[in-house]
Amino acid sequence: GESVGLHLPTLSVQEGDNSIINCAYSNSASDYFIWYKQESGKGPQFIIDIRSNMDKRQGQRVTVLLNKTVKHLSLQIAATQPGDSAVYFCAENKGSSGSARQLTFGSGTQLTVLP
Amino acid sequence: NAGVTQTPKFQVLKTGQSMTLQCAQDMNHEYMSWYRQDPGMGLRLIHYSVGAGITDQGEVPNGYNVSRSTTEDFPLRLLSAAPSQTSVYFCASSPPGAPLHFGNGTRLTVT
Repeated sequence: GESVGLHLPTLSVQEGDNSIINCAYSNSASDYFIWYKQESGKGPQFIIDIRSNMDKRQGQRVTVLLNKTVKHLSLQIAATQPGDSAVYFCAENKGSSGSARQLTFGSGTQLTVLP
Repeated sequence: NAGVTQTPKFQVLKTGQSMTLQCAQDMNHEYMSWYRQDPGMGLRLIHYSVGAGITDQGEVPNGYNVSRSTTEDFPLRLLSAAPSQTSVYFCASSPPGAPLHFGNGTRLTVT
């Protein structure tokens, strides 16, 4: 079956540097993509989302880029802080609802921010 | 405003026992769903509901039942627990077209 995957399982960055977390997806029919942050012992926390009719969306210190040609999604975190240390998941919605009804999650990337 | 509340936080069951994981949200969200998360993996969709009285299966529905009699509550029932159901279970809710808001999970161990 189709699935969402991540290029790297772990990522370490220096505090203050920018972080880039990558995600590959294989379902060309997916119409909605979303990034979550999960801290130990907690549920996933929404970071940013993007619909398939867009290629870039910016939030506070975060940017999501969508490249539908190569089925690639990335999350950029500017000026990474210690509080950004967590597991980051990308997820896609298969189908045409344009929402988060049936999300397929990747396996996650552990981001560690070094002092 | 409590958001999505899951109870219990921890549970240990013996093989063959049944139980219900509770999920309640106070945000009047139409959409609710249940996911399970196994070690080192992402979340997988078990069941979801687009409104009271309506439920549907996700990716891994076998061994689980759900019902949605009210907008607020979406319980997940394990009919006969198996060790393969040892996992962390997350409930989530959202309004139409909005990102899912997750609870903090129920950690279930089946021995």
